[in-house]
Amino acid sequence: NAGVTQTPKFQVLKTGQSMTLQCAQDMNHNSMYWYRQDPGMGLRLIYYSASEGTTDKGEVPNGYNVSRLNKREFSLRLESAAPSQTSVYFCASSETGGGPETQYFGPGTRLLVL
Amino acid sequence: GQSLEQPSEVTAVEGAIVQINCTYQTSGFYGLSWYQQHDGGAPTFLSYNGLDGLEETGRFSSFLSRSDSYGYLLLQELQMKDSASYFCAVRAGQNFVFGPGTRLSVLP
Repeated sequence: NAGVTQTPKFQVLKTGQSMTLQCAQDMNHNSMYWYRQDPGMGLRLIYYSASEGTTDKGEVPNGYNVSRLNKREFSLRLESAAPSQTSVYFCASSETGGGPETQYFGPGTRLLVL
Repeated sequence: GQSLEQPSEVTAVEGAIVQINCTYQTSGFYGLSWYQQHDGGAPTFLSYNGLDGLEETGRFSSFLSRSDSYGYLLLQELQMKDSASYFCAVRAGQNFVFGPGTRLSVLP
């Protein structure tokens, strides 16, 4: 089991460029999440998907779009990157429906927007 | 809305015990989780409290008091490898909200 995988690991963009961050999980989880983490700060939720075919905004959705392609994959798109989007992006997944709420995180994508 | 508060930094010596507190304000509380994150790494799950009381997992314990909207993470027999950031998180509906994190430094 690979758990949660993310690509790319690092990316440098120029202001105005677009890119898509990819995330996949092999744990058959229903829920998937995208977070950003700025230096010395906690995680802020961008978007989440409670199940295949549904997506909802989190705390900081502006400037981002998401696609839940299937149960395994959840992508995050920056249409026109801005320096304020320089951050580390983490994808996570969890099995909802009761019991301990454990989120499993991918290794992160480090994004620098110049 | 939801908000969580944690101390920003805690320092302790190897072998000691340290407690990291978390207070929260949230609607529709489902439980309190704790995550550990080493520098440059991804958060990893440590512990979860769905009901009041103490949960023990090896050297780590976590406590919850729903009436006080308060919980803590207790780390015993501290080791150098425990130096990391620790986040509390609450489930709010279908999403999670994380606290700002507490940076633990373990000194020799």
